[in-house]
This record gives sequence, structure tokens and C-alpha cells, in this order.
Amino acid sequence: DAGVTQSPTHLIKTRGQQVTLRCSPKSGHDTVSWYQQALGQGPQFIFQYYEEEERQRGNFPDRFSGHQFPNYSSELNVNALLLGDSALYLCASSLFRSSYEQYFGPGTRLTVT
Amino acid sequence: RKEVEQDPGPFNVPEGATVAFNCTYSNSASQSFFWYRQDCRKEPKLLMSVYSSGNEDGRFTAQLNRASQYISLLIRDSKLSDSATYLCVVKNQAGTALIFGKGTTLSVSS
Repeated sequence: DAGVTQSPTHLIKTRGQQVTLRCSPKSGHDTVSWYQQALGQGPQFIFQYYEEEERQRGNFPDRFSGHQFPNYSSELNVNALLLGDSALYLCASSLFRSSYEQYFGPGTRLTVT
Repeated sequence: RKEVEQDPGPFNVPEGATVAFNCTYSNSASQSFFWYRQDCRKEPKLLMSVYSSGNEDGRFTAQLNRASQYISLLIRDSKLSDSATYLCVVKNQAGTALIFGKGTTLSVSS
């Protein structure tokens, strides 16, 4: 049973560029949440997708957008990259509104130069 | 005030020590509480859920005080392998997002 997978593992981009990160949820899960973890900080909630719709959004600008596909996988897009966007981007999968845990993928480490 | 606040750390303890982490949360309507463990440059992994009655898993004991909006984690007989960052986590009222504390780093030495 595959867990949450993310690609790519690492990514280096230049300021102003755009990036797309990908996530496949754990088998049986229908909800994908994205988090940003800056160095030395706890993860911060970006948004959550369920039934191909954004269900809730954290305090992130519109430069951050996402998508969920019919097979429940998801993409996170960040436009006009800033140096401050350098972070570990974590995808978590779960069952919608379940009180149980969210399972995290290994993350994508994004460096913006 | 941050939504979830944790002890600043780091905690440096010898093997066999007992160590306690504390955490407070601001939203009294929060329903679900967790401790996650994160190893260096890895993803967070659930250590244990936290219930009002308190719960124990081997050397780990978690407690929740809803009146004080306070969560704790006790680790007894610390092992070298316990060295990690421990994240206090509260699920938001809508039941969608996890709200993380900044994390407390534990280093266990021989």
C-alpha cells in the first residue's frame, strides 16, 4: 500500500519563475492538503482540496494555487516566486472531515535564488 | 497570540531521563489534538493523538486540559532514537486544517 508520494524531491528556481509541485495521496484517501514549512518553523496550512475543489485556504496570497484531479492527486502551483517561498512543501492526505490523522508525504524542498 | 504555542526548547537530556513538553492553543472550539514527530529534513509523522482522558503509548503519555487549553507530552526513559522535533498540532474547528506549533527540539545524548 503506497503512502503519500510527492515530486520532485528537490527543486531550484529563480525569483519570478513559476513552479508546479505534485502529490499522490495514500490509497483510499480523497482529500489533499498542502503545507509550507520554512526552516525552523512548523508547517503552515496553504489549502485543502476535496472533490476537485478548494475547500479551505490558509493565509497565503493568490500566487499560490492548486488543483485536484479525478484520481485525487493534486498539484500546487506558485507563480512569481519570491526568495521567501524557499521552504519544504508538504502534501498530506486524509479522508474528508475525518478526525483521524493526516498522512504526510516526504515533501518537496524548493529553493528560490 | 499564535494559535498553537510550544515550549521554546531545545531540550538536551541524557539517556534515561524523563522530559515533558507543553503546548497551549488559542481556539477553545478545537476538537482534535495530536503530537507529531519530525526527524531532520523528513516529513512529520503522527506520534499520538491526544484525548481528554489522557492516553499512553509505551514510554509516551499525552494529556489534554480543555479548560486551560493546554496539551502535554511526557517521554519517560528517553532513548537516543527519541532525538527529533516534536510538534504540537491542533485541528481547526472546521476539521480541515492542522495548525502546528513551531516545534520543540529534543536531543538525547549517551
